[in-house]
Amino acid sequence: QKEVEQDPGPLSVPEGAIVSLNCTYSNSAFQYFMWYRQYSRKGPELLMYTYSSGNKEDGRFTAQVDKSSKYISLFIRDSQPSDSATYLCAMDRGSNYKLTFGKGTLLTVNP
Amino acid sequence: DADVTQTPRNRITKTGKRIMLECSQTKGHDRMYWYRQDPGLGLQLIYYSFDVKDINKGEISDGYSVSRQAQAKFSLSLESAIPNQTALYFCATSDFNDNEQFFGPGTRLTVL
Repeated sequence: QKEVEQDPGPLSVPEGAIVSLNCTYSNSAFQYFMWYRQYSRKGPELLMYTYSSGNKEDGRFTAQVDKSSKYISLFIRDSQPSDSATYLCAMDRGSNYKLTFGKGTLLTVNP
Repeated sequence: DADVTQTPRNRITKTGKRIMLECSQTKGHDRMYWYRQDPGLGLQLIYYSFDVKDINKGEISDGYSVSRQAQAKFSLSLESAIPNQTALYFCATSDFNDNEQFFGPGTRLTVL
């Protein structure tokens, strides 16, 4: 079993939809949880960062962590065509350097 | 703008050739990383460096070598390229004791 599992999609939604992206993990040592967004032909950029169970909100984006279930989610409200990208979850055991990435989910938001 | 740059952006080479990918950063970060990204496999760490004298192997270092020429420069070499090294390569940087990594735009490498 891979340490981090992420459904690669692709996921296609209409503009304005609520999007839910998810990752599961097997290693309870993971303490820090991140979501990166990667546009086509670009490098990943950090979108959200959390280190505790619960929700963290930033504009239209909400990151949710459930450590008891080893499950993290990213919700996008009122999705826009500009949200079309690959979303990668990433996790850290507390090393502050070694990130374990999910495979990424390709999202397309249709106008 | 402080940035992470990679050269070349695209490269096509032949099996057996030596190739070097270069990364420069103006963020002033001590830590630098090389990753490869393959469809369906996500990002895999090749090498990482905490400073000029501290270089470490990542998950998939076989067939690769690196050089940290200065705090701002970190190069990845393929001594004898093979087709299964065809991939997208990313350089990243981070500050000491900070999880957030900043990625360059990537180099698309094709080995024929």
